[in-house]
Amino acid sequence: SQQGEEDPQALSIQEGENATMNCSYKTSINNLQWYRQNSGRGLVHLILIRSNEREKHSGRLRVTLDTSKKSSSLLITASRAADTASYFCATALAGYSTLTFGKGTMLLVSP
Amino acid sequence: DARVTQTPRHKVTEMGQEVTMRCQPILGHNTVFWYRQTMMQGLELLAYFRNRAPLDDSGMPKDRFSAEMPDATLATLKIQPSEPRDSAVYFCASGLRLAGYQETQYFGPGTRLLVL
Repeated sequence: SQQGEEDPQALSIQEGENATMNCSYKTSINNLQWYRQNSGRGLVHLILIRSNEREKHSGRLRVTLDTSKKSSSLLITASRAADTASYFCATALAGYSTLTFGKGTMLLVSP
Repeated sequence: DARVTQTPRHKVTEMGQEVTMRCQPILGHNTVFWYRQTMMQGLELLAYFRNRAPLDDSGMPKDRFSAEMPDATLATLKIQPSEPRDSAVYFCASGLRLAGYQETQYFGPGTRLLVL
C-alpha cells in the first residue's frame, strides 16, 4: 500500500480561501516533501520538512509535521486560480534512498 | 536555470515496437530516477541510479524494460516490445542524496507514451 496517502482526494474552493491537504504515512521518515503537478507537467518541489521539524513556511505555504501521528498537512493561504493543480506528499523513509509518493489531492480554485 | 530534460515529449507507437526515452539530469546531481504515472496506479518508481550505477529496478517489468545511464548526462529507458498497457507518462527526475537519505527531486516534463 502507499506509504503516503493524501486526503482529500479532491478539493474545490474559491479564490481567496485557504486550502488544507493532509498526508498520512506508516513508517519512520527522514523527511517529508510536498510537490505540485500542473496538468500535463512534471512535478515541482514545494517544500521539505525534516523529521525533527514541526512547522515550516514558504510564502503562502505552511506545512506541519506530526511524527507521533505520522501525518502532515499543507496549507495554502489566500488561494489563487493559478494554484489549481494536484498536490503530492512524498516520504523519504529512514534507511532508504528513494521517495514514496502518494496519489495526490486535486485542488481546483475557482475565480 | 537548471532543468531536467526529456525526449521525446510525446510518442505514439504500435504494439511490439521498441520505445526509447531519454533524460538529461541536472549537472551535479548524483541520483536519477525513472517513474511511470497512470491514473490507476499513480506515480510508480521504476528504477534509479546513483553515480550512474543502477541501484534498484525492482519496479520494472524485467522482460521488456531496461534502464541505463551510459554517462552522467544521459539516462535511457527502453521498452521492447511495447504493449498497450505501457501507455502512461514516464518521468525522469534527478536529485542529490545526502547523508543517507533523499533530498529534493527535480522532475522533467515527462514523455507521454501511447501504445496502440
